[in-house]
Amino acid sequence: DVKVTQSSRYLVKRTGEKVFLECVQDMDHENMFWYRQDPGLGLRLIYFSYDVKMKEKGDIPEGYSVSREKKERFSLILESASTNQTSMYLCASSLNIYEQYFGPGTRLTVT
Amino acid sequence: RKEVEQDPGPFNVPEGATVAFNCTYSNSASQSFFWYRQDCRKEPKLLMSVYSSGNEDGRFTAQLNRASQYISLLIRDSKLSDSATYLCVVNIQGGSYIPTFGRGTSLIVHP
Repeated sequence: DVKVTQSSRYLVKRTGEKVFLECVQDMDHENMFWYRQDPGLGLRLIYFSYDVKMKEKGDIPEGYSVSREKKERFSLILESASTNQTSMYLCASSLNIYEQYFGPGTRLTVT
Repeated sequence: RKEVEQDPGPFNVPEGATVAFNCTYSNSASQSFFWYRQDCRKEPKLLMSVYSSGNEDGRFTAQLNRASQYISLLIRDSKLSDSATYLCVVNIQGGSYIPTFGRGTSLIVHP
């Protein structure tokens, strides 16, 4: 079974803090994705990566950056957290363009 | 205008009913199509892929209509356990394949 893990289930940070969300997958997948999910807005793609050290912007990259130094790990960084970044963050990985496997999510609250 | 549109519902149906959801997409460069299921407070999981010829998996049938740019999901003989949010996903080919999620359709199956 594919396993995608995220570093925290719940996180509370203060405005202006730098926040790191980590995602690790154990199936040697090339593709990894970061989404945020908000009520009424659904899942929105922040960044994705199709290879190590490669990244592409999704629909809402503003205020975020990513890092993919190793194939199994894809990190989402909030350089200076703001209250409008309070959300559920979901990481996913896939072997090809088909099925994505999601992690359990990190619920981030910025106060 | 969002590229992938779904009726948010909720669709409230009795056990045993047949229910159908549609999902429309606006980008004709869309290449592949999927239905995911998301239970409350859980991550999305692939329900089924949608092929041009249509496909069926037990009580679930998915169809693609390229001419009218929509996909559909039909659930027959609804079970209480089918209660969930159903997410439509379209992979749009740009330089790489970019997954775009609909906002989801909520299904509630009641006794």
